[in-house]
Amino acid sequence: EIVVTQSPASLSVSPGERATLYCRTSQSVGFNNLAWYQQKRGLPPRLLIYGASTRATGIPARFSGSGSGTEFTLTISNVQFEDFALYHCQQYDMRPPITFGQGTRLEI
Amino acid sequence: QVQLVESGGGVVLPGRSLRLSCAASGFAFGSHGMHWVRQAPGKGLEWVAVISYEGSYEYYADSVKGRFSISRDNSKNTLHLQMNSLRPEDTAVYLCAKDRGSKWYGGLDYWGQGTLVTVSS
Repeated sequence: EIVVTQSPASLSVSPGERATLYCRTSQSVGFNNLAWYQQKRGLPPRLLIYGASTRATGIPARFSGSGSGTEFTLTISNVQFEDFALYHCQQYDMRPPITFGQGTRLEI
Repeated sequence: QVQLVESGGGVVLPGRSLRLSCAASGFAFGSHGMHWVRQAPGKGLEWVAVISYEGSYEYYADSVKGRFSISRDNSKNTLHLQMNSLRPEDTAVYLCAKDRGSKWYGGLDYWGQGTLVTVSS
């Protein structure tokens, strides 16, 4: 099983600043099969990034994903008030099981 | 628009069974892999199971393997999760989610609101 580790557990930024969230996998993820999700309290997750760097439909350009192998990053430039939420990283390698990280909470 | 609506949650005694359903609409259900993901209160997401578009492939998290079974009825656009031998640690909101692809390597682009399962004596 590929273990996914997100860091930091929580991150405090001010609106307008840049936020950088990290995701590390215990083994290399084939085809960069890694996704990022945003979850607000009481709502289901929303897909932000898939394939490590491709924005999902309707996701603003201030969200960007990068990385390969075992090290991945989600960057939110010019953080907006609506961006304060819980962020999940998920690997979906060709060989299940699929696994999520423990989440990073982005706080004001 | 894409809609996923879960049902079947509730309070159940340890060791008992429960069957969850997810009614899908607004997309070609029979062309996409489908997942169950759970979230215990105040915790992160835990992937539970996936089934490929035509039902040929099923995979499970180690924590539920041998106890849970995922299935789908493409004629009724419905996904199911049969949960047997339930344990208190299975208590969570269970969400169904659509894969972007036909199996499990696309990312989960639509999610239901979830149904709460509470396992308690």
